[in-house]
Amino acid sequence: NAGVTQTPKFQVLKTGQSMTLQCAQDMNHNSMYWYRQDPGMGLRLIYYSASEGTTDKGEVPNGYNVSRLNKREFSLRLESAAPSQTSVYFCASTYRFAYEQYFGPGTRLTVT
Amino acid sequence: GEDVEQSLFLSVREGDSSVINCTYTDSSSTYLYWYKQEPGAGLQLLTYIFSNMDMKQDQRLTVLLNKKDKHLSLRIADTQTGDSAIYFCAETNSNSGYALNFGKGTSLLVTP
Repeated sequence: NAGVTQTPKFQVLKTGQSMTLQCAQDMNHNSMYWYRQDPGMGLRLIYYSASEGTTDKGEVPNGYNVSRLNKREFSLRLESAAPSQTSVYFCASTYRFAYEQYFGPGTRLTVT
Repeated sequence: GEDVEQSLFLSVREGDSSVINCTYTDSSSTYLYWYKQEPGAGLQLLTYIFSNMDMKQDQRLTVLLNKKDKHLSLRIADTQTGDSAIYFCAETNSNSGYALNFGKGTSLLVTP
């Protein structure tokens, strides 16, 4: 039982490049989330998927797209990376009602 | 979005009690949480409280909730150097698929 896994752990991109951050959970959770964490800030919600087949925007969705590939996997795509997207990205999941939300270890992304 | 506010820093001596405070504005918050983040690590759920409770105790941790004033606190008894970390307050409700709305975090420093 690995919980929530994220790949890659670290990534450096040049401005304008694209990449996909992968997230998977093996806890049969319904809801999945993507957050970003910037220095001196709490985590901010980018996108979420309340259940398989649905996705919705969070607080800071601009520049990102998501795919809920199946119940286990929820990916985050940067189509044209910008330095403002330098951040640590966390994926999380929960069974329902978010009473216990499990976080992945994070992906540290630097855009130069 | 609704605000979650925390003081940014707290310094205590080893063995003393630490109290970290949080205020929130969303009266429809369902659950309130405390997460711990150590340097370079992901988020660890410490405890949570349902909005119809006013206190929860779990070993060295005591959570107090004043729903009227929208004030949440986390007390750590007998604080140890291993408790040095950033502590995030978060709230959730049925909006945004029960995603978490975080404060900016309180950096706790425990000195010997």
